[in-house]
Amino acid sequence: SQKIEQNSEALNIQEGKTATLTCNYTNYSPAYLQWYRQDPGRGPVFLLLIRENEKEKRKERLKVTFDTTLKQSLFHITASQPADSATYLCALPPTDSWGKFQFGAGTQVVVTP
Amino acid sequence: DAGVTQSPTHLIKTRGQQVTLRCSPKSGHDTVSWYQQALGQGPQFIFQYYEEEERQRGNFPDRFSGHQFPNYSSELNVNALLLGDSALYLCASSLTHEQFFGPGTRLTVL
Repeated sequence: SQKIEQNSEALNIQEGKTATLTCNYTNYSPAYLQWYRQDPGRGPVFLLLIRENEKEKRKERLKVTFDTTLKQSLFHITASQPADSATYLCALPPTDSWGKFQFGAGTQVVVTP
Repeated sequence: DAGVTQSPTHLIKTRGQQVTLRCSPKSGHDTVSWYQQALGQGPQFIFQYYEEEERQRGNFPDRFSGHQFPNYSSELNVNALLLGDSALYLCASSLTHEQFFGPGTRLTVL
């Protein structure tokens, strides 16, 4: 079965720097990959979707890359702010046309002033 | 648009009891998925409902069951609660690839 891994260690970063998070997966060739943000005690919020034929996707200060050869996605937060502090989850779509999204455990980002 | 709503916000039950959680999807969304999220883990897919039928199911025992109503709202039922069922239960609605999550129901089993 497919496996999805994110760095379990929290990422502590200084305001203004770039945070880079990694999502690795195995035994799967997804048509796309998603990134979500989750604040404590809240539901995840969709941020970005990147398709297999897209190398890079940007949204404001966020950038996502997708390397289908390495089976890896990188998530960058540029010019980070304390408000960016949260847990970031990557998610793989179902292997069939609907249903079972699989989420990584998430990486906590802490941005200090 | 109220987005996805869930009730109750918090719930405390004892082992062996039964619980029902409720979800109202975002307006216009016809698909509802339920997830269980333990502390420090990512959401784990329980099942998905579409047109009032369970369309896909994750690796959860039959104690977990659900229902979708004609207005697309949904319920998650868990019978014979175990301590390990303590978690944040999330409901997500979708129309396409993007899932919209509710705030979750925090279930504590004592």
